[in-house]
Amino acid sequence: KAGVTQTPRYLIKTRGQQVTLSCSPISGHRSVSWYQQTPGQGLQFLFEYFSETQRNKGNFPGRFSGRQFSNSRSEMNVSTLELGDSALYLCASSDSGVEQYFGPGTRLTVT
Amino acid sequence: GDSVTQMEGPVTLSEEAFLTINCTYTATGYPSLFWYVQYPGEGLQLLLKATKADDKGSNKGFEATYRKETTSFHLEKGSVQVSDSAVYFCALLGSGGSNYKLTFGKGTLLTVNP
Repeated sequence: KAGVTQTPRYLIKTRGQQVTLSCSPISGHRSVSWYQQTPGQGLQFLFEYFSETQRNKGNFPGRFSGRQFSNSRSEMNVSTLELGDSALYLCASSDSGVEQYFGPGTRLTVT
Repeated sequence: GDSVTQMEGPVTLSEEAFLTINCTYTATGYPSLFWYVQYPGEGLQLLLKATKADDKGSNKGFEATYRKETTSFHLEKGSVQVSDSAVYFCALLGSGGSNYKLTFGKGTLLTVNP
């Protein structure tokens, strides 16, 4: 099976812009989670979707949002970008809800 | 809330040395525990897991035992190789209100020298 894919792999944006990141889960997986990884804060949970419903959300401002489509693909959006949003954004998929398999991430740089 | 504390690195070892990376956790209920590994420029790879007390997870020579009495899940390997150089993360998957959410430790950078 193909693994989790994330697009784009690298992105450079300017403060105040918005960005959309995409994640395609492993075939058959219906749960998709998003995490932010930064040197200072480490790995932090953003949100989790299952069958197009958000089941859990982390402590991030409302500028961070996500959605899941009927084919289980997911997108996350960050509006009004800030310098502090520069990070590696990781998507993970799961079929059991226990084992989560991660994609390679999208490296976002905000200038 | 849930939390994971793991020994901070960096850890530097010679090839064939014994590895231990300590991990302790705080959680309500009965979490599942994991070790993930991250190689430079890549995402996280699931290394091993344990879903209940006294379970031992193992993979590629790495082992960890879920100890509920000490709330620990230490990672061990008897003989490390240069190819094991990476960052290792201990994580827990909560129950109840923390369902579906992985909580990670800060990560431990391991460097293995030939």
